[in-house]
Order: sequence, then structure tokens, then C-alpha cells
Amino acid sequence: GAVVSQHPSWVICKSGTSVKIECRSLDFQATTMFWYRQFPKQSLMLMATSNEGSKATYEQGVEKDKFLINHASLTLSTLTVTSAHPEDSSFYICSARLTGTSGSTGELFFGEGSRLTVL
Amino acid sequence: GENVGLHLPTLSVQEGDNSIINCAYSNSASDYFIWYKQESGKGPQFIIDIRSNMDKRQGQRVTVLLNKTVKHLSLQIAATQPGDSAVYFCAERTGGFKTIFGAGTRLFVKA
Repeated sequence: GAVVSQHPSWVICKSGTSVKIECRSLDFQATTMFWYRQFPKQSLMLMATSNEGSKATYEQGVEKDKFLINHASLTLSTLTVTSAHPEDSSFYICSARLTGTSGSTGELFFGEGSRLTVL
Repeated sequence: GENVGLHLPTLSVQEGDNSIINCAYSNSASDYFIWYKQESGKGPQFIIDIRSNMDKRQGQRVTVLLNKTVKHLSLQIAATQPGDSAVYFCAERTGGFKTIFGAGTRLFVKA
């Protein structure tokens, strides 16, 4: 099956620093990737849609200057949390859509998540 | 934001019993629904899906029911096993691939 890999799986950083999380589709090409964040005991909240070669589309309430998304190739999207603060501590999960699929049906492949802790 | 729950509701069942997990979705225009299973510290895993033109779909040990009239989904797990213990989320799509998650239910299976 299709595999989506995230790196790092966990990271601890100091307040004010920036952290980059990578999302890679290992055995397929993904035109579109999605980034979610999940706080403890809560659901996944969609942050943004990442499209290869174009600017990401952010959900309402998500600061685009805070959460920088780059989707430079068909197999890699990155999320950079800039000037991280303790309230940014969360579980960040990416998912990828297989290139060539259309409409709303079809499987979305999820990464294993990256846990960010900001001290 | 959408679907941000404060705490996950919990369902506790005895091993071997059937489980029914319910979900209310938000958008009457949604045309595709998915159930995911999430184990602690991991990403969601696909369980089963259903299109809006169907009201029931069966998989191996799982059945999804869709009631569009009341915007309700349910996931039935037959002969629940300890390995089924996890958090279950319903999710919806509306004409595209953007997937919005529901609040989730934590399933505990007692041996």
C-alpha cells in the first residue's frame, strides 16, 4: 500500500525557534497533501491544503505566516512552525492524495504524525 | 474551527460483543464519508467508506450506515476484539478531497 512518511516523528524545541516537519509520499506521487493538527483528546483539525508548485490554501483561523507550507515536489511537502510557542505544541499529521485521482472518493494516505513540544 | 471537541466520548464494550459508534456530520452537501481508526501516537487508518448515494456498506467485521435525513453515520464492529481499542473518527468530504473530521469516540474493549 501507499506509504506516507513524516520526519521527525517527535521534536522538542525552545520557544521562539522554528521547526520544520517533512511529509513524504514514498512510493507514489502526490499533487495534493493536507496538514492537520491534533491536540490531546481532540479531533484532527485541517490546517491547510498543500498543492505542488503553488501556494497552500489555509483554513480559516490558521496563520499562514506562522505555519509555512512548501510543496516543492510531487513527493514532499514541508510545514515550518515559525517562532514556535508552547501553545503550538501539538501532534501534526499530514496526508497525501494520489496524483490522478479526482472527485471526492478515493483513499487519502496518512503519515504517522509528528509530535511537537515547545518548551 | 470545525469539529474541535473538548473531550472524546467513550464507549466501553465486552470482548466479543458488537460495538456501535455514532457520528453526526455537519454538511448536508457532503457526498463521501469515511471511518478512521487512530491508535495512540499514530496517524489515522482507513476502515471503511460510503458514498452519499448508499445507506449501508459492509466490510470485514465492520458495517457503515448512513442516514442523510438526519446527517448521521454509524460504524458497527462485530465481535469486538481487544485490538479494536482505539479512537474512531468519522470524516466527510464535499465534492473534493478535503477531508473534515468529526469529534471522535474512544472505544475500550474489556477482555
